[in-house]
Amino acid sequence: KQEVTQIPAALSVPEGENLVLNCSFTDSAIYNLQWFRQDPGKGLTSLLLIQSSQREQTSGRLNASLDKSSGRSTLYIAASQPGDSATYLCAVTPSGNTGKLIFGQGTTLQVKP
Amino acid sequence: EAGVVQSPRYKIIEKKQPVAFWCNPISGHNTLYWYRQNLGQGPELLIRYENEEAVDDSQLPKDRFSAERLKGVDSTLKIQPAELGDSAVYLCASSSPGQGYGTQYFGPGTRLLVL
Repeated sequence: KQEVTQIPAALSVPEGENLVLNCSFTDSAIYNLQWFRQDPGKGLTSLLLIQSSQREQTSGRLNASLDKSSGRSTLYIAASQPGDSATYLCAVTPSGNTGKLIFGQGTTLQVKP
Repeated sequence: EAGVVQSPRYKIIEKKQPVAFWCNPISGHNTLYWYRQNLGQGPELLIRYENEEAVDDSQLPKDRFSAERLKGVDSTLKIQPAELGDSAVYLCASSSPGQGYGTQYFGPGTRLLVL
């Protein structure tokens, strides 16, 4: 059974700091991996999607990496801003069930001005 | 383009009462998902529809939960009777086949509190 774990559960940093969020998964048979952002009272927004054949994806100040063999992904946020405060969720699409997303429990980030 | 619409946004009920949630997916999206998100956890899939057909309901607690998508568009998720442990956010998402595996668009959710 695929399990996705995110560490840390919560993180507080001063504005301007670079930071890394971690995600691990137990089964390397994945089709892709996504990082989502969730703001309070709102739905999830996809930030980056990495196909299983890719190593990383970049969007603006965000960079996500994928090491499928070791079951790990990281989300790097450069020059953090208070507007980055949110919960970040990692999710995998299993190869055997491409209609499903399996989520980690999320990392709640607070960026202090 | 309008996003996924859910109602109500908040619901407070007493245990043993019934409750229903409604979802209107993005126009043209034939796949619809219901997720439950407990506090401090990631969403967990309850049921997935392809048009009118429920193709994955393995995680739906069928003793008290039911869902329907009669015309392949809107969907309703019902709980009867509700229990204290059902307090959570219920998220609806939709997708289209041409957008690639894993691409799902989420609604804002319905936050349920069972007292």
